[in-house]
Amino acid sequence: TQLLEQSPQFLSIQEGENLTVYCNSSSVFSSLQWYRQEPGEGPVLLVTVVTGGEVKKLKRLTFQFGDARKDSSLHITAAQTGDTGLYLCAGASANSGYALNFGKGTSLLVTP
Amino acid sequence: KAGVTQTPRYLIKTRGQQVTLSCSPISGHRSVSWYQQTPGQGLQFLFEYFSETQRNKGNFPGRFSGRQFSNSRSEMNVSTLELGDSALYLCASSSGEITDTQYFGPGTRLTVL
Repeated sequence: TQLLEQSPQFLSIQEGENLTVYCNSSSVFSSLQWYRQEPGEGPVLLVTVVTGGEVKKLKRLTFQFGDARKDSSLHITAAQTGDTGLYLCAGASANSGYALNFGKGTSLLVTP
Repeated sequence: KAGVTQTPRYLIKTRGQQVTLSCSPISGHRSVSWYQQTPGQGLQFLFEYFSETQRNKGNFPGRFSGRQFSNSRSEMNVSTLELGDSALYLCASSSGEITDTQYFGPGTRLTVL
C-alpha cells in the first residue's frame, strides 16, 4: 500500500513554464522530505518540512506542508532543463518507525 | 564531509546465487536504512539499523538480511536470488532521530539473470 500518492505521475513542459507537483496522504507525518533523483543515481534531498502550514523557498522552488501535515506541494517557477528528473516525496511518522514512506514520484521533463 | 558511499555500483548475478552489498554512512551518522527501488513499486523500505541493532524491518522475505558494524558501516545480503530482485538498492544514513533527514548514497544496481 502506497501511503503517499503523488500527482501527476509524468509531466512534460517547456522551459519557462511553471508547474506544481502534489503529494497527498490520509496519514499524518512528523516530517516530509522532497528529493530529486537522476537516472541511475540516489535521491538528493531538496528540503525537509516539519511544521504544518510551513512554506519553504529554495530559489525557484517553493515547498508547502499542509496544515494537517497530511499533504505537501512543490511549485517550480520558470522551469529550466536542469530541473528534469524524478521528484519524490517521503514522509516519516511514528507509525512507520524510522522508515520513510515514499510516493512513486513525478517524472519531470523540461524541454528547451 | 564525505557523503554516503555504496559498493559495488553495479552487479550482475544469476538466479539462486547470493549477493552482499555494502554501505558506508556519513561520518558521525549512526543510522543506516536500506531501500529497494523498482519501476513498478518505487522505493520500498527494507530495514534500518542503529548502533548495530535492527530497529525496523519492512515487508520483505527472509532472504533479505542485513547487519551493521561498530563503525556504522552496513551490509545487506540477499540469498537465493530471484529475477524479481533486480533493482536499484539504496542506502541512506542519518543521525537516527525519527524526524532527521536521510541522506542517500548513489545505489547499487543489481541485475539478476
